[in-house]
Amino acid sequence: QKEVEQDPGPLSVPEGAIVSLNCTYSNSAFQYFMWYRQYSRKGPELLMYTYSSGNKEDGRFTAQVDKSSKYISLFIRDSQPSDSATYLCAMMNTGFQKLVFGTGTRLLVSP
Amino acid sequence: ETGVTQSPTHLIKTRGQQVTLRCSSQSGHNTVSWYQQALGQGPQFIFQYYREEENGRGNFPPRFSGLQFPNYSSELNVNALELDDSALYLCASSQGTVRETQYFGPGTRLLVL
Repeated sequence: QKEVEQDPGPLSVPEGAIVSLNCTYSNSAFQYFMWYRQYSRKGPELLMYTYSSGNKEDGRFTAQVDKSSKYISLFIRDSQPSDSATYLCAMMNTGFQKLVFGTGTRLLVSP
Repeated sequence: ETGVTQSPTHLIKTRGQQVTLRCSSQSGHNTVSWYQQALGQGPQFIFQYYREEENGRGNFPPRFSGLQFPNYSSELNVNALELDDSALYLCASSQGTVRETQYFGPGTRLLVL
């Protein structure tokens, strides 16, 4: 079993939809949770960074962490065609900066 | 402020050859981590360098090795290339080794034939 599970998609939505992306994990030692966006043939770009449980909002993006369920989410409001990319969740223990990634979910937003 | 840069952008090698990939860290960052991303997969941690010393390693064989230089740039060397080494190799830099944000470069795409 992988430490981090993520549905690879693709997830297809119309422009303006609310998108929900999710990851589950098995390692209870993870304390830091990130979402990266990766366009085709590019490196990952950090979108959201949260510590422990709770919500964090940044513009159209909201990240949620539920450590009791070992479940994290990223919500995208008013999705745009430019949001079409692969979204990677990543997690990290305290004490060492090794990121553990999910497989990524490919999102397609159609005009 | 310059971001993380990597070179070359892509290259093709044959099985058994050796390859060196290069990374320049973001200005002010002293830590470089390397990841391997196979097609359709998330990045996998290879190792991390902090102030010119290896500071942790993932589940990769010894033929994957690295260096960090006094200016904090870094190299990833892979010996005896195998077909499964074909992947996107990503370098990430950060200021510190614990919980600081890692910023990724564009990657080097390696194809092993």
